[in-house]
Amino acid sequence: GQNIDQPTEMTATEGAIVQINCTYQTSGFNGLFWYQQHAGEAPTFLSYNVLDGLEEKGRFSSFLSRSKGYSYLLLKELQMKDSASYLCAEGQAGTALIFGKGTTLSVSS
Amino acid sequence: AAGVIQSPRHLIKEKRETATLKCYPIPRHDTVYWYQQGPGQDPQFLISFYEKMQSDKGSIPDRFSAQQFSDYHSELNMSSLELGDSALYFCASSTGLADTDTQYFGPGTRLTVL
Repeated sequence: GQNIDQPTEMTATEGAIVQINCTYQTSGFNGLFWYQQHAGEAPTFLSYNVLDGLEEKGRFSSFLSRSKGYSYLLLKELQMKDSASYLCAEGQAGTALIFGKGTTLSVSS
Repeated sequence: AAGVIQSPRHLIKEKRETATLKCYPIPRHDTVYWYQQGPGQDPQFLISFYEKMQSDKGSIPDRFSAQQFSDYHSELNMSSLELGDSALYFCASSTGLADTDTQYFGPGTRLTVL
């Protein structure tokens, strides 16, 4: 994920709100995906943005600004089970997803 | 709902051996992608197929080959295995070729090369 930048680690407490930021290259951009991955398991699709603005899905929301090459994933009412790695992935022309290095979120009680 | 199926889930091989990983996409998904994820790394795209034809190629070594069959399942063939090939191999599927199509990942095959 050389063109995608996101924080390596974040910590938060149960019930809190956390925002995970992601910046990406803007050339050839065709959509921004967020996946959740627990250690040793498959990435699970969370959200997709192709137009500017906020997409809300229950406790999870994702925002995109194409002009700034910027996205964030917002997690509300954090639960212990939300402890995982969150991968920002850019859809490029073609079919491959280009993943960021992932942000490891640790939720404590 | 049916998900992507991968087999085997775990595989242990010796150096220089060969391995075949299988992927069965979600029903009615015609596009399959292969990714490699090393320890502590992000998934790296290897190759993809649409309607049984290779559609895109990433960082797949020449020692690896893959194909998609008439029933849309795909196989990743790996030869002359090296220690560095030890990784999780994920298959994902989607309903089409558009780069905006959501890719759904299988549980992965954990390959260990000794």
